[in-house]
Amino acid sequence: EPEVTQTPSHQVTQMGQEVILRCVPISNHLYFYWYRQILGQKVEFLVSFYNNEISEKSEIFDDQFSVERPDGSNFTLKIRSTKLEDSAMYFCASTRDRIQYFGPGTRLLVL
Amino acid sequence: TQLLEQSPQFLSIQEGENLTVYCNSSSVFSSLQWYRQEPGEGPVLLVTVVTGGEVKKLKRLTFQFGDARKDSSLHITAAQPGDTGLYLCAGSNTGNQFYFGTGTSLTVIP
Repeated sequence: EPEVTQTPSHQVTQMGQEVILRCVPISNHLYFYWYRQILGQKVEFLVSFYNNEISEKSEIFDDQFSVERPDGSNFTLKIRSTKLEDSAMYFCASTRDRIQYFGPGTRLLVL
Repeated sequence: TQLLEQSPQFLSIQEGENLTVYCNSSSVFSSLQWYRQEPGEGPVLLVTVVTGGEVKKLKRLTFQFGDARKDSSLHITAAQPGDTGLYLCAGSNTGNQFYFGTGTSLTVIP
């Protein structure tokens, strides 16, 4: 069964460094998403992406964040200058017919 | 931001008992989903409900969407230890932004 994949599974970085989180959505899906989940807290929407552009974004998704679909398969989330509070699980999801399929997540730790 | 409140936040029950988890909002959603999340993993979709008053059954799990499409419930019959996990509801409107609930952490004790 097709599934969403994410790399890396874990990333540790220093505050102020740039990180790129990668996702491969399910191939025939049309909408792509990034969510984050701070430890012990709820899943928070960051951004949705459709037809090679941002469709919606939350107030969390400020100028430090960007998304890209550099080729036909990858979907990336870049954090330009990480802060301590960016430490969280980051989940990618892809959707077809309003059904979301989540990836396993990337655990980001900012020191 | 559209808020989805889940109750209870934590639930610990004995194997074989029944339970109900609630997901409430003041906002109307065109569809609502229930997910289960294991520690360190992504949420896994259980069901999507789209019609007010709709009831869906998935083995021992029964999902209901409120008539006004503002709330939903998940009922588990004869809970088993394998049901242990974090249950999340998520609402969506005609856009493609999903609002997640606060979550219910269920522990089923053998």
